[in-house]
Amino acid sequence: DQQVKQNSPSLSVQEGRISILNCDYTNSMFDYFLWYKKYPAEGPTFLISISSIKDKNEDGRFTVFLNKSAKHLSLHIVPSQPGDSAVYFCAASSSQGAQKLVFGQGTRLTINP
Amino acid sequence: DGGITQSPKYLFRKEGQNVTLSCEQNLNHDAMYWYRQDPGQGLRLIYYSQIVNDFQKGDIAEGYSVSREKKESFPLTVTSAQKNPTAFYLCASQSGVRRFYEQYFGPGTRLTVT
Repeated sequence: DQQVKQNSPSLSVQEGRISILNCDYTNSMFDYFLWYKKYPAEGPTFLISISSIKDKNEDGRFTVFLNKSAKHLSLHIVPSQPGDSAVYFCAASSSQGAQKLVFGQGTRLTINP
Repeated sequence: DGGITQSPKYLFRKEGQNVTLSCEQNLNHDAMYWYRQDPGQGLRLIYYSQIVNDFQKGDIAEGYSVSREKKESFPLTVTSAQKNPTAFYLCASQSGVRRFYEQYFGPGTRLTVT
């Protein structure tokens, strides 16, 4: 039962263009969503988050959009830079119940020069 | 500097042996977590602890055991009962305050069992 899904295992984008990473969830109890970035053989690092009371959150080149009716969120990176090449994980949490995150499978983003 | 340390970075064991992975944090976080990462499968929760002397099974707890005797430490033992122990193991911590959802991760331990 995959409650958080990232259906694109990989994405390739040209440097300077926009990268859009997508994430879908099924559990309507999720009310907080996060994006993590991970380099090989390292731990994930927190990137940006959004609460379900918002539909957009922006931090520099990174913007996360939340569509609650579609149970869908996306991460936009613009402009994309070579250092953005990494695996990106979407995660979700609920303010009810245990304090834990549910992660998607990840999307490997490659930025081409 | 505050953070999470995991040791060792790489660990090799023979099949049938138990092995313990270390995780220490100095962030004064109440909650700690163990995940396993396999190629194409994202992060799967093994065990978590929201307070000292208490822990709960995650989605894939079979073949693993943990203890939480101190707030700073949450060691994971991979037992011989774990059928596919070779993986990248990640430890994380989170503030106990509900509105802080971000988890902070250690650098991970790559376990190889042959």
